[in-house]
Amino acid sequence: TQLLEQSPQFLSIQEGENLTVYCNSSSVFSSLQWYRQEPGEGPVLLVTVVTGGEVKKLKRLTFQFGDARKDSSLHITAAQPGDTGLYLCAGNRNQGGKLIFGQGTELSVKP
Amino acid sequence: NAGVMQNPRHLVRRRGQEARLRCSPMKGHSHVYWYRQLPEEGLKFMVYLQKENIIDESGMPKERFSAEFPKEGPSILRIQQVVRGDSAAYFCASSPSGVMNTEAFFGQGTRLTVV
Repeated sequence: TQLLEQSPQFLSIQEGENLTVYCNSSSVFSSLQWYRQEPGEGPVLLVTVVTGGEVKKLKRLTFQFGDARKDSSLHITAAQPGDTGLYLCAGNRNQGGKLIFGQGTELSVKP
Repeated sequence: NAGVMQNPRHLVRRRGQEARLRCSPMKGHSHVYWYRQLPEEGLKFMVYLQKENIIDESGMPKERFSAEFPKEGPSILRIQQVVRGDSAAYFCASSPSGVMNTEAFFGQGTRLTVV
């Protein structure tokens, strides 16, 4: 049973399009983090959201934490080929830095 | 300001051999976490260690796997008598503390191939 369900698993779009990745759970998390991972590398932290309803922006990326702190979304505006990669959501349940990861979304942005 | 350092980056072992994976946390970080990533899967938690203590090993296989984080030196993930199913990318992360919502930063991983 996957505690964090991430969707879609694969996404292939054209440059300039918008997209949203979802991360859902039936469990409450004290915080949720989004990472981006490129082939052969480790995950790189993009953002941490802590408060229910919180919205954070990072250039063309918008992250939202659900009001009940059970779900989160990542929205990318005007995607670029440089956005290509594996996006991972990870939840923290008050256990230090221990994280529960979703399965990941493999994004491909074609020029 | 070095990040989390893992070595080796790539490790090839024959079935039955031992694999030792090393992780040096970021400077000032005393909490280390090991994760395993199988092809086309997310990362799965294995073990959480603080200096000289195992805090949570709920994700560790019961046999052949062990981890330590000594007072001096890197954290070590040890896999004895490796089997083909152990082939995966193993990632280490570190955090400065164990307080709620502390952020963890990852190394580049060790890719283990068992032949």
